[in-house]
Amino acid sequence: NAGVTQTPKFRVLKTGQSMTLLCAQDMNHEYMYWYRQDPGMGLRLIHYSVGEGTTAKGEVPDGYNVSRLKKQNFLLGLESAAPSQTSVYFCASSYTASPEQFFGPGTRLTVL
Amino acid sequence: AQTVTQSQPEMSVQEAETVTLSCTYDTSESDYYLFWYKQPPSRQMILVIRQEAYKQQNATENRFSVNFQKAAKSFSLKISDSQLGDAAMYFCAYRSAGTSNTDKLIFGTGTRLQVFP
Repeated sequence: NAGVTQTPKFRVLKTGQSMTLLCAQDMNHEYMYWYRQDPGMGLRLIHYSVGEGTTAKGEVPDGYNVSRLKKQNFLLGLESAAPSQTSVYFCASSYTASPEQFFGPGTRLTVL
Repeated sequence: AQTVTQSQPEMSVQEAETVTLSCTYDTSESDYYLFWYKQPPSRQMILVIRQEAYKQQNATENRFSVNFQKAAKSFSLKISDSQLGDAAMYFCAYRSAGTSNTDKLIFGTGTRLQVFP
């Protein structure tokens, strides 16, 4: 049981490049989330999903897209990376009936 | 909208001593959950303790306990017998418990705890 995993762990992009962050969970959780963590600002919700095939915007969705084609995977895409997207990205998942969210190890993304 | 405030950017404690981290929140809801997460240098977010708003009894997990004051909207974390491994960033978080909520967490800005030998 690996829990929540994220790929990659580190990435450096140039402005304008695109990339996809992959989140996978093997706990059969319905809900999945993408957060970003910036210094002095805590974690902020980017997008979330309450089930396969459904996604919704969170607090800071601009510049990101997501997809949940399979229940166990939640992808976060940056179509045209900007330096303001330099951050640490966390994926989390939870059961519908449980208040607890389980977090992945994070991805540190730097956009030059 | 709900907000979570951690007014102590940094705290320090001597090993084996006790330290209390503060958290206040704002909400108009009556049913919700509160959490403390620990983030060590490894970056992994680790759940330390959780409190259900409908429970009057304060939650306790080994050396970690909370002081939940619902009327004052306060949720502090007490770490007893502090250990070097407790050094980390600590985040307070809020989650609605209503049936129409999306289960998202609202985080405070964190408190960095240093533990000195």
